[in-house]
Amino acid sequence: EVQLSESGGGLVQPGGSLRLSCVASGFTFNRYAMSWVRQAPGKGLEWVSGISGSGGNTYYVDSVKGRFTISRDNSNNTLFLQMNSLTAEDTAVYYCAKNTMIVVKGNWFDPWGQGTLVTVSS
Amino acid sequence: QSALTQPASVSGSPGQSITISCTGTSSDVGGYNYVSWYQQHPGKAPKLMIYGVSNRPSGVSDRFSGSKSGNTASLTISGLQAEDEADYFCSSYASGNTYVFGTGTKVTVL
Repeated sequence: EVQLSESGGGLVQPGGSLRLSCVASGFTFNRYAMSWVRQAPGKGLEWVSGISGSGGNTYYVDSVKGRFTISRDNSNNTLFLQMNSLTAEDTAVYYCAKNTMIVVKGNWFDPWGQGTLVTVSS
Repeated sequence: QSALTQPASVSGSPGQSITISCTGTSSDVGGYNYVSWYQQHPGKAPKLMIYGVSNRPSGVSDRFSGSKSGNTASLTISGLQAEDEADYFCSSYASGNTYVFGTGTKVTVL
């Protein structure tokens, strides 16, 4: 069974940093691209970032470019999201999701982790 | 990277059919057959219901079906059941190796 488990969320002050982790199991991790998707409280879903199976290609939504960095450790089946210069607009539940191909293009997301809440507030 | 447009809410009685629309542009929905649909119950993670416009993953009821015409994709739920009450989001691959989600639709079973 494929499982994804996020951690690292919490309360952080505006301008601060946080690193999210997502541990994967039940599939050959390096054969699939991975994504981070967030959901602000009471709002819709927003794709944040994606990374290819090898980790060599990364992509971001415009609103986080230059502030967030996605990476992966294929030896330990772990996906990361380093978030810097956080603002209140980054407050959301962050989900990691398995893509269905090794490349980021032309995928869908299945399954999703349970999510980790990031709250940016002073 | 604007969100795809969905109706805020759709309702129906048990046994009825409902359809949720998802309107984008030629740079996302209209340009690729990479549309997917997700069901989300309160406090839960999204669940894939339809992929590649009209394909159902194993284990998803055949009461769920998807289609696309031009820049608009649609999800139809037939034989509506109480357990179908949830939020539904569409998603599409968009140019530049990015993805865009819909604004979300709350389905209410009357």
